[in-house]
Amino acid sequence: DVKVTQSSRYLVKRTGEKVFLECVQDMDHENMFWYRQDPGLGLRLIYFSYDVKMKEKGDIPEGYSVSREKKERFSLILESASTNQTSMYLCASSASRGQGNWEQFFGPGTRLTVL
Amino acid sequence: GEDVEQSLFLSVREGDSSVINCTYTDSSSTYLYWYKQEPGAGLQLLTYIFSNMDMKQDQRLTVLLNKKDKHLSLRIADTQTGDSAIYFCAAFSNDYKLSFGAGTTVTVRA
Repeated sequence: DVKVTQSSRYLVKRTGEKVFLECVQDMDHENMFWYRQDPGLGLRLIYFSYDVKMKEKGDIPEGYSVSREKKERFSLILESASTNQTSMYLCASSASRGQGNWEQFFGPGTRLTVL
Repeated sequence: GEDVEQSLFLSVREGDSSVINCTYTDSSSTYLYWYKQEPGAGLQLLTYIFSNMDMKQDQRLTVLLNKKDKHLSLRIADTQTGDSAIYFCAAFSNDYKLSFGAGTTVTVRA
């Protein structure tokens, strides 16, 4: 069973704080993704990574950075949290090209509130 | 980039069929997916269809794909209260990424 875990289910931070969201997958997937989910907007891709130490900007990277030092772990960093970053954050992983149907497996999400 | 659109809400009576519709813009999309999100949880893949298929059936779920119109639908037969959730349509075309719709909130009423 593929498992994607996220470090926290709920997080409350203050404006200006540095925030780390951690994601770990146990299926040796090459690709990992960070999305934010907001009502009426669906899932928007923040960053993704197709290999260790590789990262690519998604559709809304401003205000975020990422780190992928190990294959199984992908971290999302909010350098200076702002109230408009209050959202649900979802991590996902998928197998690499030629290994299937590109299905993404999701973690349970972290609901972040910035006060 | 690809745009994926779906209606935001659907209300259905228990026991009836639900039909959720989705349109996408990239004709080169090879895989199309339906994900389900229950309250407080992440997304779970319900089913997917490859672009060379018109239809796929899996128990109570039927997926129809009209490539000409770039239209995808998900039919849930005999809808139950446990089917209340948000359903996301997604399309894969290239570069490892999926494009998601905004999600359709399905409410099943008794």
